[in-house]
Amino acid sequence: NAGVTQTPKFQVLKTGQSMTLQCAQDMNHNSMYWYRQDPGMGLRLIYYSASEGTTDKGEVPNGYNVSRLNKREFSLRLESAAPSQTSVYFCASSYDGNPKNIQYFGAGTRLSVL
Amino acid sequence: AQTVTQSQPEMSVQEAETVTLSCTYDTSESDYYLFWYKQPPSRQMILVIRQEAYKQQNATENRFSVNFQKAAKSFSLKISDSQLGDAAMYFCAYSIDTGNQFYFGTGTSLTVIP
Repeated sequence: NAGVTQTPKFQVLKTGQSMTLQCAQDMNHNSMYWYRQDPGMGLRLIYYSASEGTTDKGEVPNGYNVSRLNKREFSLRLESAAPSQTSVYFCASSYDGNPKNIQYFGAGTRLSVL
Repeated sequence: AQTVTQSQPEMSVQEAETVTLSCTYDTSESDYYLFWYKQPPSRQMILVIRQEAYKQQNATENRFSVNFQKAAKSFSLKISDSQLGDAAMYFCAYSIDTGNQFYFGTGTSLTVIP
């Protein structure tokens, strides 16, 4: 069972470069999420998509854009990367936005911006 | 503001012993769900246990149990008969009834000593 798949696993960018982090889930989940994880700060929500065709800002959306391409895929784009965006990025999905539902996480993307 | 506090950045336990990880949270909501997630060195977050705030009975999952004190806004995780595979970063999190928003603590790194 693949679950939540993120690509790439590692990426190094120069300041100002752009890139898209890809996320796909095969569990037929409606809701998908992007988090960033920084040392000493836990996970913080960047954007989420409650259902196909909708996206909403989370706690730290500045500098990011997202696209819910279809039910399976939710991508995160950095238009002009900054060193402050060096982090580990996690994609997650859940059946829907009901707070009782478990979130399933991908293995993460470690991004370094030089 | 919704906050989750894990006051123990690092903990260690002898193999086969019991360890308790602390978590407190702050919310004005009456309905919410609490979670403990485990993040092993592979980075992929895995759900350990879940507690519904309206249930007084503490959740248990095999060797994992919680001590949920709603009035004190405390949600600690007890790991019994610790195993080497329990070594990981543990995150406390909660989700409020409006859904689509998870709030994570900063994590506790657990070392299991053989």
